[in-house]
Amino acid sequence: KAGVTQTPRYLIKTRGQQVTLSCSPISGHRSVSWYQQTPGQGLQFLFEYFSETQRNKGNFPGRFSGRQFSNSRSEMNVSTLELGDSALYLCASSLASSGNPSYNEQFFGPGTRLTVL
Amino acid sequence: SQQGEEDPQALSIQEGENATMNCSYKTSINNLQWYRQNSGRGLVHLILIRSNEREKHSGRLRVTLDTSKKSSSLLITASRAADTASYFCATGSRMNSGYSTLTFGKGTMLLVSP
Repeated sequence: KAGVTQTPRYLIKTRGQQVTLSCSPISGHRSVSWYQQTPGQGLQFLFEYFSETQRNKGNFPGRFSGRQFSNSRSEMNVSTLELGDSALYLCASSLASSGNPSYNEQFFGPGTRLTVL
Repeated sequence: SQQGEEDPQALSIQEGENATMNCSYKTSINNLQWYRQNSGRGLVHLILIRSNEREKHSGRLRVTLDTSKKSSSLLITASRAADTASYFCATGSRMNSGYSTLTFGKGTMLLVSP
């Protein structure tokens, strides 16, 4: 089975711009979670989607949004970029067939490194 | 906010030695998971231990869980240079939606020197 893929791998943007990141989960996985990783804050949960519905959202401003398509692929969008948004954005998928994603192993993609200048 | 906190923050050992990392958490859990991250890459799942389990093994990895102390430890035996990475514990935290999500600690950076 192919692993979780994320595109693009690297991105450089300037303040005020917006960005869209994409994640393709492992085939059969319906739960997709997004995390932001920075040296200062560590890994922070952004949101989780299951069957096109956002089930959980972390403590991030409304500039961060996401969606999931019927094929389970997911995108996250950050509008009006700030310098502090520079981070590694990680996507993870899991089976989570009926329960909570935390009950299952999560499979991570390689991440998208976003740099905001 | 971090649910799990790893200790130590950094650990430097020689090849062949054992490495022990600890994780403490605050609220009740369904399971605790350990992940490894090589520099700047995605995380790789190592092991999941359920709240009714006390110890679990996977190859050179041994994980213990003490729910009374809200702590877990990860032991890597006979370490290799390839084990150099950051190690994170993760626990499920119930959110307002009623669903739980994984919350990660800040990790332990392990350096194994040849």
